[in-house]
Amino acid sequence: GQNIDQPTEMTATEGAIVQINCTYQTSGFNGLFWYQQHAGEAPTFLSYNVLDGLEEKGRFSSFLSRSKGYSYLLLKELQMKDSASYLCASDSGTYKYIFGTGTRLKVLA
Amino acid sequence: DARVTQTPRHKVTEMGQEVTMRCQPILGHNTVFWYRQTMMQGLELLAYFRNRAPLDDSGMPKDRFSAEMPDATLATLKIQPSEPRDSAVYFCASGGSTGAHGYTFGSGTRLTVV
Repeated sequence: GQNIDQPTEMTATEGAIVQINCTYQTSGFNGLFWYQQHAGEAPTFLSYNVLDGLEEKGRFSSFLSRSKGYSYLLLKELQMKDSASYLCASDSGTYKYIFGTGTRLKVLA
Repeated sequence: DARVTQTPRHKVTEMGQEVTMRCQPILGHNTVFWYRQTMMQGLELLAYFRNRAPLDDSGMPKDRFSAEMPDATLATLKIQPSEPRDSAVYFCASGGSTGAHGYTFGSGTRLTVV
Protein backbone atom coordinates (compact mmCIF):
# COMPACT_ATOMS: atom_id res chain seq x y z
CA GLY A 1 0.00 0.00 0.00
CA GLN A 2 0.92 3.67 0.06
CA ASN A 3 1.76 5.25 3.38
CA ILE A 4 3.59 8.32 4.61
CA ASP A 5 4.20 8.82 8.33
CA GLN A 6 5.26 12.01 10.06
CA PRO A 7 4.89 13.20 13.64
CA THR A 8 1.79 15.34 14.08
CA GLU A 9 3.34 18.11 16.08
CA MET A 10 6.74 19.30 17.33
CA THR A 11 7.87 22.19 19.48
CA ALA A 12 11.31 23.80 19.53
CA THR A 13 12.97 26.96 20.77
CA GLU A 14 14.15 29.88 18.69
CA GLY A 15 17.79 29.39 17.69
CA ALA A 16 17.68 25.62 18.18
CA ILE A 17 17.92 22.77 15.66
CA VAL A 18 14.98 20.51 14.91
CA GLN A 19 14.71 17.33 12.85
CA ILE A 20 11.39 16.31 11.31
CA ASN A 21 11.26 12.66 10.30
CA CYS A 22 9.27 11.05 7.53
CA THR A 23 8.94 7.36 6.71
CA TYR A 24 7.33 6.16 3.54
CA GLN A 25 6.06 2.97 1.99
CA THR A 26 5.03 3.44 -1.60
CA SER A 27 4.86 1.26 -4.67
CA GLY A 28 7.49 2.78 -6.91
CA PHE A 29 9.78 5.55 -5.76
CA ASN A 30 11.56 8.32 -7.64
CA GLY A 31 12.25 10.81 -4.92
CA LEU A 32 10.92 12.68 -1.93
CA PHE A 33 9.64 16.23 -1.58
CA TRP A 34 9.48 18.52 1.42
CA TYR A 35 7.07 21.45 1.45
CA GLN A 36 6.46 24.18 4.01
CA GLN A 37 2.92 25.42 4.64
CA HIS A 38 2.07 28.38 6.85
CA ALA A 39 -1.42 28.44 8.33
CA GLY A 40 -3.98 29.53 5.76
CA GLU A 41 -1.45 29.59 2.94
CA ALA A 42 -0.35 27.36 0.09
CA PRO A 43 2.45 24.81 0.43
CA THR A 44 5.81 26.07 -0.85
CA PHE A 45 8.55 23.85 -2.21
CA LEU A 46 11.60 23.28 0.00
CA SER A 47 13.51 20.32 -1.42
CA TYR A 48 13.46 17.24 -3.61
CA ASN A 49 15.80 14.33 -2.82
CA VAL A 50 16.46 11.60 -5.35
CA LEU A 51 19.79 10.20 -4.15
CA ASP A 52 20.72 8.95 -0.70
CA GLY A 53 22.41 11.48 1.52
CA LEU A 54 22.11 14.97 2.85
CA GLU A 55 21.37 18.02 0.73
CA GLU A 56 21.88 21.40 2.32
CA LYS A 57 20.13 24.64 1.39
CA GLY A 58 20.99 27.38 3.81
CA ARG A 59 19.36 26.75 7.19
CA PHE A 60 17.37 23.82 5.80
CA SER A 61 18.78 20.40 4.93
CA SER A 62 17.02 17.25 3.76
CA PHE A 63 18.22 13.68 4.05
CA LEU A 64 17.10 10.55 2.24
CA SER A 65 17.74 6.84 2.75
CA ARG A 66 16.03 4.89 0.01
CA SER A 67 16.88 1.50 1.52
CA LYS A 68 15.22 2.47 4.80
CA GLY A 69 12.28 4.37 3.33
CA TYR A 70 13.24 7.31 5.50
CA SER A 71 13.81 11.01 5.16
CA TYR A 72 14.25 13.94 7.48
CA LEU A 73 14.17 17.70 7.24
CA LEU A 74 16.68 19.50 9.42
CA LEU A 75 16.07 23.12 10.36
CA LYS A 76 18.93 25.03 11.97
CA GLU A 77 18.98 28.37 13.79
CA LEU A 78 15.23 28.26 14.16
CA GLN A 79 13.34 31.50 13.71
CA MET A 80 9.79 32.37 14.73
CA LYS A 81 8.80 32.50 11.07
CA ASP A 82 9.66 28.79 10.77
CA SER A 83 6.47 27.99 12.70
CA ALA A 84 4.50 26.14 10.02
CA SER A 85 3.47 22.69 8.86
CA TYR A 86 6.07 20.64 7.03
CA LEU A 87 4.80 18.12 4.51
CA CYS A 88 6.75 15.26 3.01
CA ALA A 89 5.56 13.65 -0.19
CA SER A 90 6.81 10.66 -2.13
CA ASP A 91 7.22 10.75 -5.90
CA SER A 92 6.35 7.34 -7.28
CA GLY A 93 7.29 8.38 -10.78
CA THR A 94 3.73 8.60 -12.06
CA TYR A 95 2.97 12.10 -10.75
CA LYS A 96 0.88 10.54 -7.99
CA TYR A 97 2.64 12.34 -5.20
CA ILE A 98 1.50 10.92 -1.88
CA PHE A 99 1.55 13.55 0.85
CA GLY A 100 1.81 12.95 4.56
CA THR A 101 -0.62 14.83 6.80
CA GLY A 102 2.21 17.14 7.82
CA THR A 103 4.12 18.01 10.98
CA ARG A 104 3.04 21.20 12.72
CA LEU A 105 6.14 22.91 14.10
CA LYS A 106 5.82 25.54 16.83
CA VAL A 107 8.84 27.70 17.47
CA LEU A 108 8.86 29.29 20.92
CA ALA A 109 10.73 32.42 21.92
CA ASP B 1 7.21 36.39 -9.34
CA ALA B 2 5.34 33.82 -11.43
CA ARG B 3 2.35 32.48 -9.60
CA VAL B 4 -0.56 30.10 -9.91
CA THR B 5 -3.83 32.02 -9.70
CA GLN B 6 -6.95 30.45 -8.26
CA THR B 7 -10.44 31.86 -8.10
CA PRO B 8 -12.49 32.26 -6.04
CA ARG B 9 -10.47 32.42 -2.82
CA HIS B 10 -13.52 31.62 -0.73
CA LYS B 11 -16.86 30.08 -1.63
CA VAL B 12 -19.85 29.36 0.57
CA THR B 13 -22.66 27.50 -1.10
CA GLU B 14 -25.71 25.47 -0.24
CA MET B 15 -25.82 21.73 -0.57
CA GLY B 16 -26.89 20.68 -4.04
CA GLN B 17 -25.48 23.73 -5.81
CA GLU B 18 -22.86 23.59 -8.52
CA VAL B 19 -19.41 24.89 -7.69
CA THR B 20 -16.75 25.77 -10.25
CA MET B 21 -13.17 26.52 -9.24
CA ARG B 22 -10.66 27.98 -11.68
CA CYS B 23 -6.90 27.90 -11.93
CA GLN B 24 -4.45 29.74 -14.14
CA PRO B 25 -1.15 27.81 -14.12
CA ILE B 26 2.20 29.45 -14.56
CA LEU B 27 2.93 30.14 -18.21
CA GLY B 28 5.06 27.37 -19.66
CA HIS B 29 4.21 24.80 -17.01
CA ASN B 30 2.86 21.67 -18.67
CA THR B 31 1.74 19.75 -15.58
CA VAL B 32 -1.28 20.81 -13.54
CA PHE B 33 -2.66 19.20 -10.40
CA TRP B 34 -5.82 19.56 -8.35
CA TYR B 35 -5.51 18.72 -4.64
CA ARG B 36 -8.01 18.80 -1.79
CA GLN B 37 -6.81 19.48 1.77
CA THR B 38 -8.66 18.71 4.98
CA MET B 39 -7.44 18.46 8.55
CA MET B 40 -8.18 14.75 8.68
CA GLN B 41 -6.90 13.60 5.29
CA GLY B 42 -4.17 16.10 4.51
CA LEU B 43 -3.46 16.75 0.83
CA GLU B 44 -5.26 14.37 -1.50
CA LEU B 45 -4.62 14.28 -5.23
CA LEU B 46 -7.84 14.63 -7.20
CA ALA B 47 -6.60 14.92 -10.79
CA TYR B 48 -3.64 15.92 -12.89
CA PHE B 49 -3.02 16.98 -16.44
CA ARG B 50 0.03 16.96 -18.62
CA ASN B 51 0.05 19.05 -21.76
CA ARG B 52 -3.67 19.59 -21.08
CA ALA B 53 -4.44 15.86 -21.27
CA PRO B 54 -5.96 14.29 -18.15
CA LEU B 55 -3.56 11.60 -16.98
CA ASP B 56 -5.20 10.46 -13.80
CA ASP B 57 -8.37 11.41 -12.00
CA SER B 58 -8.75 8.26 -9.96
CA GLY B 59 -8.73 10.28 -6.74
CA MET B 60 -11.87 12.12 -7.75
CA PRO B 61 -15.47 11.03 -7.02
CA LYS B 62 -16.58 10.71 -10.64
CA ASP B 63 -20.28 11.00 -10.01
CA ARG B 64 -20.04 14.60 -8.86
CA PHE B 65 -16.57 15.93 -9.67
CA SER B 66 -15.13 16.82 -13.04
CA ALA B 67 -11.84 18.41 -14.05
CA GLU B 68 -11.01 19.95 -17.40
CA MET B 69 -8.32 22.01 -19.05
CA PRO B 70 -9.95 23.81 -21.96
CA ASP B 71 -6.70 25.60 -22.81
CA ALA B 72 -3.17 25.97 -21.49
CA THR B 73 -4.09 28.97 -19.34
CA LEU B 74 -7.14 27.54 -17.58
CA ALA B 75 -7.94 24.48 -15.52
CA THR B 76 -11.35 23.99 -13.90
CA LEU B 77 -12.69 21.76 -11.15
CA LYS B 78 -16.43 21.41 -10.93
CA ILE B 79 -18.59 19.83 -8.25
CA GLN B 80 -22.21 19.13 -9.07
CA PRO B 81 -24.10 18.64 -6.84
CA SER B 82 -22.04 19.80 -3.88
CA GLU B 83 -22.32 18.14 -0.47
CA PRO B 84 -21.22 19.26 3.03
CA ARG B 85 -18.42 16.65 3.00
CA ASP B 86 -16.86 18.50 0.05
CA SER B 87 -15.97 21.37 2.38
CA ALA B 88 -12.19 21.71 2.16
CA VAL B 89 -9.45 23.83 0.66
CA TYR B 90 -8.87 23.01 -3.00
CA PHE B 91 -5.39 23.71 -4.35
CA CYS B 92 -4.18 23.87 -7.89
CA ALA B 93 -0.46 23.37 -8.55
CA SER B 94 1.62 23.55 -11.70
CA GLY B 95 5.13 22.61 -12.71
CA GLY B 96 7.42 21.26 -15.39
CA SER B 97 7.86 17.73 -16.65
CA THR B 98 9.87 16.57 -13.66
CA GLY B 99 9.51 17.25 -9.98
CA ALA B 100 13.12 18.30 -9.56
CA HIS B 101 12.16 21.93 -9.05
CA GLY B 102 8.98 21.23 -7.16
CA TYR B 103 5.53 22.39 -8.01
CA THR B 104 4.02 25.79 -7.37
CA PHE B 105 0.73 25.84 -5.52
CA GLY B 106 -1.96 28.46 -5.89
CA SER B 107 -3.46 30.14 -2.82
CA GLY B 108 -6.36 27.73 -2.81
CA THR B 109 -10.14 27.97 -2.81
CA ARG B 110 -11.71 27.51 0.62
CA LEU B 111 -15.05 25.84 -0.04
CA THR B 112 -17.79 25.61 2.56
CA VAL B 113 -20.94 23.69 1.69
CA VAL B 114 -23.80 24.24 4.13
